Amino acid sequence: QLVLTQSPSASASLGASVKLTCTLSSGHSSYTIAWHQQQPEKGPRYLMKLNSDGSHSKGDGIPDRFSGSSSGAERYLTISSLQSEDEADYYCQTWDTGIVVFGGGTKLTVL
Amino acid sequence: EVQLLESGGGLVQPGGSLRLSCAASEFTFSSYAMSWVRQAPGKGLEWVSAISGSGGNTYYADSVKGRFTISRDNSKNTLFLQMNSLRAEDTAVYYCAKKGPIGVIITYFDYWGQGTLVTVSS
Repeated sequence: QLVLTQSPSASASLGASVKLTCTLSSGHSSYTIAWHQQQPEKGPRYLMKLNSDGSHSKGDGIPDRFSGSSSGAERYLTISSLQSEDEADYYCQTWDTGIVVFGGGTKLTVL
Repeated sequence: EVQLLESGGGLVQPGGSLRLSCAASEFTFSSYAMSWVRQAPGKGLEWVSAISGSGGNTYYADSVKGRFTISRDNSKNTLFLQMNSLRAEDTAVYYCAKKGPIGVIITYFDYWGQGTLVTVSS
């Protein structure tokens, strides 16, 4: 079964960096994912598509502070030079024939 | 800039029906598959349904299969979700989402709407 696992919460200080993790279920380590950001009371926003080899393509207007990387079944979203507006929920998403799967989301707090 | 604007949400009794719309602009609507994704209060994102650019292929999550119907009118750049036999657990903000430029019908989403709230309660 295709499942994405995310830690429920993360925190980091203003100006620092944070690395969020999304883990693919067993047997699905080659899958491409996407990262989406959801700021409070807003709709989600596409950040990037991230391949198993770590290559990624970002959405329109996404700052260079956001980057992605991969290792095995893990997919990472790194946000550097954290700003207050980065405080949001971050969801990873993947897909297979006839189905779309979201991770449970990580709530990022900027201290 | 791509725009997706949902409408049609509201309060409906259990067992009732509702039709959501999503007006799309600033891209060639008929060339892209579209999806509906929902978010229950305080919860994460849940994919609901997808439809191909032509409308000829549709997909549903098990939780809504047989109750919801996705459709589109490419002449009006509009996506629809007909929701029947609504249950309390269908209460959520419903978002429409555009498929990314790479991949087939079911793939990642590169643009989202702002959502419309559906509340199922007596």
